[in-house]
Order: sequence, then structure tokens, then C-alpha cells
Amino acid sequence: EPEVTQTPSHQVTQMGQEVILRCVPISNHLYFYWYRQILGQKVEFLVSFYNNEISEKSEIFDDQFSVERPDGSNFTLKIRSTKLEDSAMYFCASKGTVTYEQYFGPGTRLTVT
Amino acid sequence: RKEVEQDPGPFNVPEGATVAFNCTYSNSASQSFFWYRQDCRKEPKLLMSVYSSGNEDGRFTAQLNRASQYISLLIRDSKLSDSATYLCVVTRGGNTPLVFGKGTRLSVIA
Repeated sequence: EPEVTQTPSHQVTQMGQEVILRCVPISNHLYFYWYRQILGQKVEFLVSFYNNEISEKSEIFDDQFSVERPDGSNFTLKIRSTKLEDSAMYFCASKGTVTYEQYFGPGTRLTVT
Repeated sequence: RKEVEQDPGPFNVPEGATVAFNCTYSNSASQSFFWYRQDCRKEPKLLMSVYSSGNEDGRFTAQLNRASQYISLLIRDSKLSDSATYLCVVTRGGNTPLVFGKGTRLSVIA
């Protein structure tokens, strides 16, 4: 069964450093999303991406964040200058064209120290 | 008011019990509704979509009441493996983002 994959599974970084989180969506999906979940809190939407551009973003997705689809398979989330409060699980999700369901990758645990 | 509200639980039930979870949503423009399950420190996994007519998948039954903006999930004959957090999720439809509730924790005890 096709699945979304994410790397790395865990990233530790120092405050102020840049991080890039990587995702490989399901191959025939066209809609891509990033969500995050701070420990003990709900899953929150960050950004959606379609046809090589951002289609929607939340208030959380400020100028420190960017997304890119550098090739036909990868979808990345970059945080330019990490803050302590960026520590969270970051989930990538993808969606096909036929149904409304989104499928999630296993997540990257980001720890900012 | 929170967009999606759920009783956080925990619900502690014996194996074989029937348990029901409720959820309310505030955005009347919501068009699509789902239940996801999340195991500890894992990704949300789609359990089932929720349709206006109600739908069943094995031991799981989901109901939607658009007028009351209320969604429910019923689990019959609980198994130990059903222990997880159940997330109520809504969207405005199409390709719009998922809006999650905080989840209801279920522990099924032997």
C-alpha cells in the first residue's frame, strides 16, 4: 500500500539554526500539506500546496517558514531560524484528486534547544 | 469558541464494551467530516469518513447531524487494540485543510 514517508524521524537543532524537513507524498497525489503537533496539543494546519504554489496557509506559517517541491517526488518544509516554540511533531500529508481523505506521514520530531 | 470540540476523556472501558464519542464543530460551512485515530507519538490515521446518512465499518459506526453540528463515533465490542486517541476532524470540503479536535483518549482494559 502506498504511503507518505518523512525524513528525518527526529531532528535536534539549536535555536537560530535552519532546518529542512523532507516528505515524499504518495506518488499520484497532487495536494500536499504540512501540519504540526506540539506535545499534548491538537494537530494544527500550517500550509497547503498545489501545482507548485501555496494554496492556503495558517497564521503559524510566517516568514520563517517556506515550502518547496524541488523535484517530482520531494516536498520540503524549511524553518529559517528556529525558535524554542518550534519544537513539535511535523506531519506531512497528501491527498489525491478523487476523494477528500488526507494521508499522513510518520512525522518528524523537531527538538529546538 | 473552539472550532472542533471533543471530550478529552480518558474513557476507560473493559474489553467487549460499547463506547461512544461525541464531537461538535462551530463552522457551519464545514462540508467533510472524518474520524482519525492517533496512537501515542504517531501520525493520525484515517479511521473513517462520516456521511450525512451515517455509515458503518465493522465495529465502528459514525453519525453526522448537520443541523446540530454534531458528529459521533460508536465502537462496539471494544478490543485492546482500540486503545488510542480518537480525533474528530472537519474541513470546508475539497482540498481545504483539516481542522482537528484535540481528541478523546480511549483505554480498553483486559
